[in-house]
Amino acid sequence: GDSVTQMEGPVTLSEEAFLTINCTYTATGYPSLFWYVQYPGEGLQLLLKATKADDKGSNKGFEATYRKETTSFHLEKGSVQVSDSAVYFCALSDVQGAQKLVFGQGTRLTINP
Amino acid sequence: DVKVTQSSRYLVKRTGEKVFLECVQDMDHENMFWYRQDPGLGLRLIYFSYDVKMKEKGDIPEGYSVSREKKERFSLILESASTNQTSMYLCASRGQVPDTQYFGPGTRLTVL
Repeated sequence: GDSVTQMEGPVTLSEEAFLTINCTYTATGYPSLFWYVQYPGEGLQLLLKATKADDKGSNKGFEATYRKETTSFHLEKGSVQVSDSAVYFCALSDVQGAQKLVFGQGTRLTINP
Repeated sequence: DVKVTQSSRYLVKRTGEKVFLECVQDMDHENMFWYRQDPGLGLRLIYFSYDVKMKEKGDIPEGYSVSREKKERFSLILESASTNQTSMYLCASRGQVPDTQYFGPGTRLTVL
């Protein structure tokens, strides 16, 4: 079945560092791809998404590009802030039916001032 | 903005108790989902519903059931709670367009 593999965490960076969180997927069709973020004590919020190959999703300085050839959707940000500390989840959804989400295991990010 | 609410943020129950987790959404969404979140495992789908009174099993339905009597409300039921059901439970809803799921704040359930 479909699956998502994320970079192992936790990840700790200093403020203003460059961030990459790797995400690769396995899917039989052409899924939509998502990054969700979970701040401490809260539910998940959609951070960005891409629905087809070569699409770039972006939000709040974060970017990810849908790479069909490498089956990847890596999350990047040029300069992280303390407020970016959270757990980040990569996910895919099949495009048919109820469009269930399949999640990666999550990556905990901590940014130190 | 879409709002998904869950009845409790924290819940403590005893082994063998029947537990109800309630989820309500205010956007007239057709699809609703229940996930559990465990460290190192991400989120796993328990059940989902694509219409009133319609439900389908997700990846880990054992020990759970669901009820959807009204479009806005989706309940998760633990018929006889066990300690291995201690977890964070997240509800989500999605309309037809766009293809984005909106999540509630979660219920952290502890079964003693």
